[in-house]
Amino acid sequence: AQSVTQLDSQVPVFEEAPVELRCNYSSSVSVYLFWYVQYPNQGLQLLLKYLSGSTLVKGINGFEAEFNKSQTSFHLRKPSVHISDTAEYFCAARMFSGGYNKLIFGAGTRLAVHP
Amino acid sequence: GAGVSQSPSNKVTEKGKDVELRCDPISGHTALYWYRQSLGQGLEFLIYFQGNSAPDKSGLPSDRFSAERTGGSVSTLTIQRTQQEDSAVYLCASSLARGQGANEQYFGPGTRLTVT
Repeated sequence: AQSVTQLDSQVPVFEEAPVELRCNYSSSVSVYLFWYVQYPNQGLQLLLKYLSGSTLVKGINGFEAEFNKSQTSFHLRKPSVHISDTAEYFCAARMFSGGYNKLIFGAGTRLAVHP
Repeated sequence: GAGVSQSPSNKVTEKGKDVELRCDPISGHTALYWYRQSLGQGLEFLIYFQGNSAPDKSGLPSDRFSAERTGGSVSTLTIQRTQQEDSAVYLCASSLARGQGANEQYFGPGTRLTVT
């Protein structure tokens, strides 16, 4: 079955520290991969996406992610976080098979940045 | 330009009542999606509309759920005979139909439904 797994439900980190939010996917077909951020009481905002080409993709707010096909991973990183990065982060996949039109989401990772 | 809008932002209803949730997609976006975000279930796909094609209803959890999209723009998600397990945030998203833009879904702020 196709799925997206976010390994950490919560990640606490101090301000200005680096952070990595982990995401793994399971699929026997090609995928497009995405990271979304959700601030409290708001909808989802696209941070970055991997469609093809360079495996290192850069997004908004200083985030980047690296696609690793052999490890079926798409981890999100930021070298120095701010208090304002506190939010929930969702990894998602769009798979080239039945149900191609929908995004399959991970369960989300709540990033809490402390001063 | 305006983003995806949804109404109402909050809805409290009694068990057994019907509810209608509305989504206004971004102008020019022919693809429209409904998702549900609930505790313990994460974000689940419900239904997808693209132009005049038959919608992909594969995510609707029961026949109490239905959706329509009139005139290729506004969409309404209807839940009949609501149950407490229907309590969730219902998110709408829209995108272009083809090309790179098809991979960028823009989400509305959601409707928080509480069934008492």
